[in-house]
Order: sequence, then structure tokens, then C-alpha cells
Amino acid sequence: GAGVSQSPSNKVTEKGKDVELRCDPISGHTALYWYRQSLGQGLEFLIYFQGNSAPDKSGLPSDRFSAERTGGSVSTLTIQRTQQEDSAVYLCASSLRVGMVSNQPQHFGDGTRLSIL
Amino acid sequence: KNQVEQSPQSLIILEGKNCTLQCNYTVSPFSNLRWYKQDTGRGPVSLTIMTFSENTKSNGRYTATLDADTKQSSLHITASQLSDSASYICVVSAGNQFYFGTGTSLTVIP
Repeated sequence: GAGVSQSPSNKVTEKGKDVELRCDPISGHTALYWYRQSLGQGLEFLIYFQGNSAPDKSGLPSDRFSAERTGGSVSTLTIQRTQQEDSAVYLCASSLRVGMVSNQPQHFGDGTRLSIL
Repeated sequence: KNQVEQSPQSLIILEGKNCTLQCNYTVSPFSNLRWYKQDTGRGPVSLTIMTFSENTKSNGRYTATLDADTKQSSLHITASQLSDSASYICVVSAGNQFYFGTGTSLTVIP
């Protein structure tokens, strides 16, 4: 497909388990972004990649969260020792170049709905 | 403090009517302002991106305005359709950060 693909679409896991969320960006897009959207709340920016590099990781909620991107393509967001407050929809987006200043439109996937029991 | 506030929180309108959504921000330094439409259970879709020098930008029945002096933006929807029912999110970028409004939930009824 031509859009951003995220997997799994839904994930239910027990508190304390580790989870890995995957994002396949649009082919050729060098910039990739991760967001979190909690129920009834706005989008929360987590991290962005330019190529395989993440210049600023300060948006990650805690040291239990990590993200990587390999080959300038697929990215994974890993949450270790999950807590109930991690329950949210995790959205990924990609753009041709980093979008904060360059006005590049971001193309979003439909997200992974994560539920921590 | 960098903030983006949207109003109203929710809105119900009749099909065919127009409506205007508001976004006020205190973000600085301003890079650009984006409006997104998010259908339930889907990712946001970009409607418009406006820079400091742009006052108006249209995308079909959607028209966004920006007043950088008063730090206000609006999204006007003309001749609403049932498919316009969604959440509309205002996003302001500054430096290497994005600041999000909590969105306006629009419901269009027949």
C-alpha cells in the first residue's frame, strides 16, 4: 500500500510486559514521527527521526520508552515494563523531510491501540 | 507557556450548513500552523499548513485563516456533509516541537 502502515492495530497485554510497536513509513519519506493519543486527550509528540537519527528524545515519557529506526525505513517503538497509564493509541507519521519548519505534510497511519491490563 | 487552545470543544450542525472552528495559540517562535481532520479510529489527515506570511489557505470546502499578530487561526467548513463528522485538530510547530490543541469534535446531522 501507499500509506503509512502500523502493526499491530490492537495490542492487549498485562502490566509489566514489554511491547513493541512497528511503523512502516511511506517509501522515500526520510522523516518519521511517533505520537501518543490518550483517551479524551490531545496528541502528544514523542520523538522524530531524520533518517535513522533521532536528534531529540526528550519527548519520550520515561526511560521505559525507546525507539529506533533502521535502514531509513521501518521504526519500532518499544515500551518496557508497561504500566496502565501507557494505555493509549500510538500513532506514527512520515513526511518527505522533517516537518517542523519545512512545512512538509505528515501522513499518519491508523495507529496501534494499546491496552494494558 | 506554549499552548494551543481550540474552541468549541464540540459542535453539532445540520448538513449543508457552514461552521467555523477556532484555534488560539501562544507558541513561540512560530514556524507553521496545521489543521488536521481525524475520523474515529483513524489517523489524522492533513487539511492545511500555513506559514507566518499566509493569511488564507483553502482545501476544497475547507478554508483556514491565520492572523499571526493576534495568534489566532480559524477553519471554516462550507456546505457541511455527513462525512465532515470528525475531530479537527490544530497543531502549531515551533523550533523542533509540535504543540497540539485538544481538538473540536464536529457532528453533522441530516
